[in-house]
Amino acid sequence: NAGVTQTPKFRILKIGQSMTLQCTQDMNHNYMYWYRQDPGMGLKLIYYSVGAGITDKGEVPNGYNVSRSTTEDFPLRLELAAPSQTSVYFCASSASYEQYFGPGTRLTVT
Amino acid sequence: KNEVEQSPQNLTAQEGEFITINCSYSVGISALHWLQQHPGGGIVSLFMLSSGKKKHGRLIATINIQEKHSSLHITASHPRDSAVYICAVRLNAGNNRKLIWGLGTSLAVNP
Repeated sequence: NAGVTQTPKFRILKIGQSMTLQCTQDMNHNYMYWYRQDPGMGLKLIYYSVGAGITDKGEVPNGYNVSRSTTEDFPLRLELAAPSQTSVYFCASSASYEQYFGPGTRLTVT
Repeated sequence: KNEVEQSPQNLTAQEGEFITINCSYSVGISALHWLQQHPGGGIVSLFMLSSGKKKHGRLIATINIQEKHSSLHITASHPRDSAVYICAVRLNAGNNRKLIWGLGTSLAVNP
């Protein structure tokens, strides 16, 4: 099993550009999550999904969109990137309560 | 004030020392998680506990629900234990799939 994979690992965006962060899991987990981690701050939940076709907002959803068309994939879309979205983004999945994390995507918006 | 507080924020130890990291929370929880974030950024779940004590190798996690406190202990610490240790709690009401995260304790173990 590859577990949870994320692409890209690093990305630099210009202000106003858009991009999609990819997340895939091969563990057949129903639950998937997107977090951002800012320096010196705890993880903040952006969006989560309880199954294919179902998504819900977390603590900091503004500026992001998600979709969950399959159990495996949970992409995170940034529209009109802003410097405040510079962060490390983690995707996670779970079957019950233990979450399994991807390696993260380091995004810089300049 | 964060709902989940960890102490200390930073910790430096010599190889072989016994290490304790503390986590206090102010909300009712159904479970508490300890996770490890490696210097490269990867996050790994260490423990999930709702009562008592769990042990895995040199790591021991305890929780006291009445006192709203948990500790993570590392026995015979090693430089490879250097990482950020994060405490997170799952609420016992509402959508308890979501976690409330502490800010982490950065541990450096020197040889």
